[in-house]
Amino acid sequence: RKEVEQDPGPFNVPEGATVAFNCTYSNSASQSFFWYRQDCRKEPKLLMSVYSSGNEDGRFTAQLNRASQYISLLIRDSKLSDSATYLCVVNTNTGGFKTIFGAGTRLFVKA
Amino acid sequence: SQTIHQWPATLVQPVGSPLSLECTVEGTSNPNLYWYRQAAGRGLQLLFYSVGIGQISSEVPQNLSASRPQDRQFILSSKKLLLSDSGFYLCAWSPQVTGELFFGEGSRLTVL
Repeated sequence: RKEVEQDPGPFNVPEGATVAFNCTYSNSASQSFFWYRQDCRKEPKLLMSVYSSGNEDGRFTAQLNRASQYISLLIRDSKLSDSATYLCVVNTNTGGFKTIFGAGTRLFVKA
Repeated sequence: SQTIHQWPATLVQPVGSPLSLECTVEGTSNPNLYWYRQAAGRGLQLLFYSVGIGQISSEVPQNLSASRPQDRQFILSSKKLLLSDSGFYLCAWSPQVTGELFFGEGSRLTVL
């Protein structure tokens, strides 16, 4: 089992749709969680951190479920510019630092 | 504000040639620094990280090495490149070990 797993997609959605991505992680001692966005042939950029209480940033909502060991990202009112790969990132710092990236979920938003 | 730059952006190298990728961070002191590699269509693989000058931790055995000669400079090197070294190399920094990562623009290496 991979340490961080994501559905690779692609997700093909029309503009204005709501789309949700899930990510599961295997290490229950994981401490911090993030979503990154990566455009084609570009570097990943931090989209948002994920907190236990859930957090929202405009059209984006991230949630963490520690009991089930998964995090989610919800995008409302999708825009063409949301088309990208979304990377789930999990950090642990027990017996040594470790950051694990998921392989990413590809999103295509179409007009 | 903090910035991170790496170069060169693109390079094509023959098998067996040396490699040097450089990364510098501005606007912060004592950052944690990282080198990642992303193969085509794959996730990011951590190669090296550093929590201070001269302190390098390697995550995977390979023919690559890293050095941190100054607080905000991180260098990725190889004496002899292999075909399998082709990929997208990303330098990143973070203000703390388990904090957010901020990436440079990346260096795309093709080994022929």
